[in-house]
Amino acid sequence: GQQLNQSPQSMFIQEGEDVSMNCTSSSIFNTWLWYKQDPGEGPVLLIALYKAGELTSNGRLTAQFGITRKDSFLNISASIPSDVGIYFCAGRGNAGNMLTFGGGTRLMVKP
Amino acid sequence: ETGVTQTPRHLVMGMTNKKSLKCEQHLGHNAMYWYKQSAKKPLELMFVYSLEERVENNSVPSRFSPECPNSSHLFLHLHTLQPEDSALYLCASSQGSGGGNEQFFGPGTRLTVL
Repeated sequence: GQQLNQSPQSMFIQEGEDVSMNCTSSSIFNTWLWYKQDPGEGPVLLIALYKAGELTSNGRLTAQFGITRKDSFLNISASIPSDVGIYFCAGRGNAGNMLTFGGGTRLMVKP
Repeated sequence: ETGVTQTPRHLVMGMTNKKSLKCEQHLGHNAMYWYKQSAKKPLELMFVYSLEERVENNSVPSRFSPECPNSSHLFLHLHTLQPEDSALYLCASSQGSGGGNEQFFGPGTRLTVL
């Protein structure tokens, strides 16, 4: 089946720093979604990408749909303590209609 | 508040108990999902219902039994679970079950099986 590799698995950064994480797929994806999960809560959708090369922002968050359609990036600028959580990528490829999720990136921000 | 609610938020049960998890969506969606989230593992899709019909069952053991009485409600009936079934169970909904349609998640039920 489809596999999504998300990296890094965890990051511990200083408040104010920029953050970058990415997901790569073993096959072509048609849709990329990025979610954030706070402790004790379900994932919340941050950004959705539907076209190769697409670059979309949501406040301090920017995500890109890779040109090869096998990867996606999420950047967070000027991190703040409330950015703490687990960020998941999810994608849909040609093999089926269901989403495949990455393993998550745990972000910790030091004030 | 994503428009998807789940009850209970926490559940502790013995291996011989029977319990049910409930999910309700207030978004007018027509597809609902159950996921299992275990520590250090990616989200695992368990079941998908589209227009109240089950369209996906990812080789889930029969001790998990879903029920979708209408497009707003989804249940997961549990019986004779094992300790390794302890996890966060997430419900999600979307408009349409395919095409990478954006899924909105509930807060989850934290299940502990003793």
